Amino acid sequence: SAVISQKPSRDICQRGTSLTIQCQVDSQVTMMFWYRQQPGQSLTLIATANQGSEATYESGFVIDKFPISRPNLTFSTLTVSNMSPEDSSIYLCSVVWGGAGNTIYFGEGSWLTVV
Amino acid sequence: GENVEQHPSTLSVQEGDSAVIKCTYSDSASNYFPWYKQELGKRPQLIIDIRSNVGEKKDQRIAVTLNKTAKHFSLHITETQPEDSAVYFCAANGEDSNYQLIWGAGTKLIIKP
Repeated sequence: SAVISQKPSRDICQRGTSLTIQCQVDSQVTMMFWYRQQPGQSLTLIATANQGSEATYESGFVIDKFPISRPNLTFSTLTVSNMSPEDSSIYLCSVVWGGAGNTIYFGEGSWLTVV
Repeated sequence: GENVEQHPSTLSVQEGDSAVIKCTYSDSASNYFPWYKQELGKRPQLIIDIRSNVGEKKDQRIAVTLNKTAKHFSLHITETQPEDSAVYFCAANGEDSNYQLIWGAGTKLIIKP
């Protein structure tokens, strides 16, 4: 499978600030997604990161709060803007990998705590 | 809307016994059903998946069964070991995309020594 690296792995953030999470893949991938996992909860899709165009956001998520960049087929960033304690979550980058399609792999995750 | 229901939310089994986790899905067009294991503090890891052209798939102690008529699929773990303790998530692909998954709520599996 692809090697998917995320930075930072963990951070404590002040309320009202913004943080950008980076996702780097060791191979070119077509499909890349950003997920949020709140404490003790399942995974929620934030958006699909589209290369060279604006991300496609799921219901309940907006670009002003979660701007996403995808400059090429191996890299993407997610910014969590104007953070509040409710944004304390794991943020996961994921990619579709494999010739058979549909196989989704996750990055290591970024554990954010907002104080 | 599309949804995936997962049961039970917590499952406690004696080491060496079998564990079964069940999921039902709503979208009859779904054709891909992966299972992920998430250990504490780690990312979800794909452990097995099944596509709608097969009814069962095995990988050592893990098996997944699919019943498309009833729209449910199950994860079976035999001869459970302490390292099987984790949260397990099922998922199904949505009608809009082969790559966007609808996730179950998760099952916390506890293996008692």
